Amino acid sequence: NAGVTQTPKFRVLKTGQSMTLLCAQDMNHEYMYWYRQDPGMGLRLIHYSVGEGTTAKGEVPDGYNVSRLKKQNFLLGLESAAPSQTSVYFCASRRQGTGANVLTFGAGSRLTVL
Amino acid sequence: RKEVEQDPGPFNVPEGATVAFNCTYSNSASQSFFWYRQDCRKEPKLLMSVYSSGNEDGRFTAQLNRASQYISLLIRDSKLSDSATYLCVVTAATGGFKTIFGAGTRLFVKA
Repeated sequence: NAGVTQTPKFRVLKTGQSMTLLCAQDMNHEYMYWYRQDPGMGLRLIHYSVGEGTTAKGEVPDGYNVSRLKKQNFLLGLESAAPSQTSVYFCASRRQGTGANVLTFGAGSRLTVL
Repeated sequence: RKEVEQDPGPFNVPEGATVAFNCTYSNSASQSFFWYRQDCRKEPKLLMSVYSSGNEDGRFTAQLNRASQYISLLIRDSKLSDSATYLCVVTAATGGFKTIFGAGTRLFVKA
């Protein structure tokens, strides 16, 4: 049981390049989230999804787009990368229901934008 | 103001010490509360849920005061392996159960 898998684990981009981070979960979870973590800032919510075909903005959505075409996958896109987007990105998922608020995280994707 | 605020730390304590972490949250509609642990360069992992009645898991005790919008974590008899960052986490009942993390408090337990 893989849980939540993020790819790639590491990536270096030049300013202006685009890329997509993939998050895949095999737990049939309804909700999926993308966070970024910077030193001293904790995890900040970028975008989230409450089900296939739906997405919503979190705390820091600017410069990112997301898609949830399949229930098991949640993609995070950077159309034109900027140095300010250098960070560690974590994907998480949880199942539906008020009694199921525990998040399961992927191992993280470390992105550097030069 | 951040939605979830924690002691900035770091806390440096000797083995065997008792250490307490505090956290406040601003959204009165918050529904669920947790403490997560994060080791260096790793993903956060659930340490324990927090209930109004208070709950204990071995050396760890968590408390929630909804009236004051305050959460605490107490670690007794600290071990070297407790060294990590402790994240206070709050989930709202609306908006897709958005889960907001505090910035974390770093704990160093030394021999």
